[in-house]
Amino acid sequence: KAGVTQTPRYLIKTRGQQVTLSCSPISGHRSVSWYQQTPGQGLQFLFEYFSETQRNKGNFPGRFSGRQFSNSRSEMNVSTLELGDSALYLCASSAWDSDGHGYTFGSGTRLTVV
Amino acid sequence: AQKVTQAQTEISVVEKEDVTLDCVYETRDTTYYLFWYKQPPSGELVFLIRRNSFDEQNEISGRYSWNFQKSTSSFNFTITASQVVDSAVYFCALSLGSGSARQLTFGSGTQLTVLP
Repeated sequence: KAGVTQTPRYLIKTRGQQVTLSCSPISGHRSVSWYQQTPGQGLQFLFEYFSETQRNKGNFPGRFSGRQFSNSRSEMNVSTLELGDSALYLCASSAWDSDGHGYTFGSGTRLTVV
Repeated sequence: AQKVTQAQTEISVVEKEDVTLDCVYETRDTTYYLFWYKQPPSGELVFLIRRNSFDEQNEISGRYSWNFQKSTSSFNFTITASQVVDSAVYFCALSLGSGSARQLTFGSGTQLTVLP
């Protein structure tokens, strides 16, 4: 069973640009969550999508957005990049149920903003 | 709001020593889920265990064991006979498991270094 696939693995962008990251969940998983990991703030929840709908959102500015497609693949977009957006962005997939099912994470996309 | 505290920022042990990673959590909900993840240098978060709030039974899996105590709001993780391959950052996390509170709240992580 293939794991969670995130592309690209590494990305370098210039301040002010925008970026799109992609995540393909485990086959059969309909929920995709995104997390940001930085040395200063640690792992923080960005948002979660299920059946193409955003179900939950963390405390991030509107520059951070996402979407989910009918095949459950998800993208997140960051507009007007700032230096502080440099981070490891992790995607997690899970089955949407009510018992706190475990999340499977991808290897992440390391974004560097210069 | 939920909170997870991992007071140990870094731990260094010599191979074959036992090591315990501490995790203390805060939540007002009676139904919640606790997790441990391992993050090697490659960056991927590797799932180790999930425990729900109604199951305080301790668990052992090979060299790994977990001690869940609701009375002290702790979910500690012990590695017995540590190995160099255990070197990684370990995260404890909490989820309320349903609806808008499904997301994981992570602790700040403990960097474990196992020296040969």
